[in-house]
Amino acid sequence: QKEVEQNSGPLSVPEGAIASLNCTYSDRGSQSFFWYRQYSGKSPELIMSIYSNGDKEDGRFTAQLNKASQYVSLLIRDSQPSDSATYLCAVKRERRQLTFGSGTQLTVLP
Amino acid sequence: DTAVSQTPKYLVTQMGNDKSIKCEQNLGHDTMYWYKQDSKKFLKIMFSYNNKELIINETVPNRFSPKSPDKAHLNLHINSLELGDSAVYFCASSQLDRDGNTIYFGEGSWLTVV
Repeated sequence: QKEVEQNSGPLSVPEGAIASLNCTYSDRGSQSFFWYRQYSGKSPELIMSIYSNGDKEDGRFTAQLNKASQYVSLLIRDSQPSDSATYLCAVKRERRQLTFGSGTQLTVLP
Repeated sequence: DTAVSQTPKYLVTQMGNDKSIKCEQNLGHDTMYWYKQDSKKFLKIMFSYNNKELIINETVPNRFSPKSPDKAHLNLHINSLELGDSAVYFCASSQLDRDGNTIYFGEGSWLTVV
């Protein structure tokens, strides 16, 4: 079982729709959870971090964490073509390295 | 005022050569990393270096050696390059007690071994 799993996609949504990206992790001791966005040919950039169960909202982005189910998700509301990118889920446990999933490729269709 | 900078951005070299990639961060972070991203976009840590403590991913061949002259620099030296070393190498940094250890990436170095 991979430590961090994501559907590779591609996930296509129409402009203005809600994009839902999902991630599961295997280490129950994980404490910190991150979503990175990576445009083609560019480096990953952090868009959201979440540390406790529930929802965390930042503009059009909402991260959701459920530690009991070992599940973290990212919702993008009012999706724009500029949101088209690969989204990387990353998970960290204290004193351990950050572990990335393989990413979900999102395409927002105009 | 780039936060994490790495050079060169593109590198094409022949099998068997030795090459280095340099990395510098001006964020004042105490930890630096090297990640490798393969063609399937899987981002995997190779090394982390914190206050002179080097943590090595055991799956990394010993042809790869990190060198940190100070906490703002972490260079990657690769000996006897192989075709399978072709990938994008990202340098990154973080501060363990700040921002939940958020990692900031450099722009990447595209290595092609021919």
